[in-house]
Order: sequence, then structure tokens, then C-alpha cells
Amino acid sequence: AQSVTQLGSHVSVSEGALVLLRCNYSSSVPPYLFWYVQYPNQGLQLLLKYTTGATLVKGINGFEAEFKKSETSFHLTKPSAHMSDAAEYFCAVSSTRNFGNEKLTFGTGTRLTIIP
Amino acid sequence: GAVVSQHPSWVICKSGTSVKIECRSLDFQATTMFWYRQFPKQSLMLMATSNEGSKATYEQGVEKDKFLINHASLTLSTLTVTSAHPEDSSFYICSAFSQAGGDEQYFGPGTRLTVT
Repeated sequence: AQSVTQLGSHVSVSEGALVLLRCNYSSSVPPYLFWYVQYPNQGLQLLLKYTTGATLVKGINGFEAEFKKSETSFHLTKPSAHMSDAAEYFCAVSSTRNFGNEKLTFGTGTRLTIIP
Repeated sequence: GAVVSQHPSWVICKSGTSVKIECRSLDFQATTMFWYRQFPKQSLMLMATSNEGSKATYEQGVEKDKFLINHASLTLSTLTVTSAHPEDSSFYICSAFSQAGGDEQYFGPGTRLTVT
């Protein structure tokens, strides 16, 4: 069984400040991990993914995440927040690399607000 | 990127009636489509997986006779909520996958169903 926990349903940061969104997972097999972003009235968009290899993963819009097996974490960061980053962010886990055709287990989401 | 649309984006129906939600892949052919359900402040929960031309595979606890899924073509899947009740009110999201489109699920913008 797999599960994802996102700490903090709401996070507010000032424009230009560091963004840190937390995600912890539970998986009985090596996980494949993802972050998605959802803007109002739009579908989920893939930000980045970890499958194998380098544990620091870079994604779109300046976001990155680091897979830490010992901490079962996959936190999302961005050095400098921009107003356009305001959205809902979802962490997800899959048990196979063929995640396009495999069940994704999602966290409850974190709403990111940027303070001007 | 690939675009997935859903129609309608918002629907209100009376208890006991049925409502159909469409999910379309606009610029690619989707061999697999997924239907998710999202309650407020909760995770996206996978309801079923459908492959074009075959019966949908439902997740445990999802009533297949209540949530009818038809994946009749490579660009269209429909979810019909039959004999809807207020507890069926939720946000329904579809995603589409194509091996040719890369190993990623592309998500629709969701449909808000309210049953009165």
C-alpha cells in the first residue's frame, strides 16, 4: 500500500522568499514520486518527477525536489517565489516507472499563496 | 503540451437523475483514461481506469453500476453518474495517457457535480 502526506494545507510566502512544500510518502516498494500543480479552473500539470538516478530533480518554473529515502520525503522548493506560483500543489506516488499507465496516489494538496 | 477537456465544467442535477460527464483528449489519442474523484480538502481518489474498447477497471469500493464508464473512442471517455444522490456531489477529474505522448498522464480541468 502507498500513501502520501502533505504537511500544511495552506502555505503563504512573500514574493521573492523561499518556497518549501512538504511531502512524505509511505511505500512498500521503491517509489516513483511526482509533484503536480493546479491553477484555478485548470487541470493538473506535472511539475517534476523522480523515478531513479539523481535524487535532486529539477522541474519547470524553477521548482526542484529532493528524494530522501532515509526521511521518506520529497519536499518541493523554489528559491524565490513569484506571484504566478500561487496555486494548489499535489504530491503523488506510484509504484512503477510506467506511471502514465499506473495508479497514482495523491496527497491532499497544499494551497500556496504569495504575499506581494 | 497535450490538452484534455471536460464537459460540463459544472452541473447541478436533482436527486434520482443521471448525469453524464465527458472527457476528451483534444490533440492526441488516449489509450487509457482515468477517472478521479476529489472531495473538498481531500486527495484525488482514483475511481476507475478505462482502456479504449474494453470494460473499465474499478477501484475497490466504487460501484460500477452507479458510475458507468464508457471509453468508446481513443479521444473520448464518459462517466455517467446514475440515480445521483447528494452524497455523489463532488469534483470529478479525468486524465488521459498515451504511450506515444510520453509517459505522463494529462489531466482535465475537472467537473463540479452538485446533486440537490
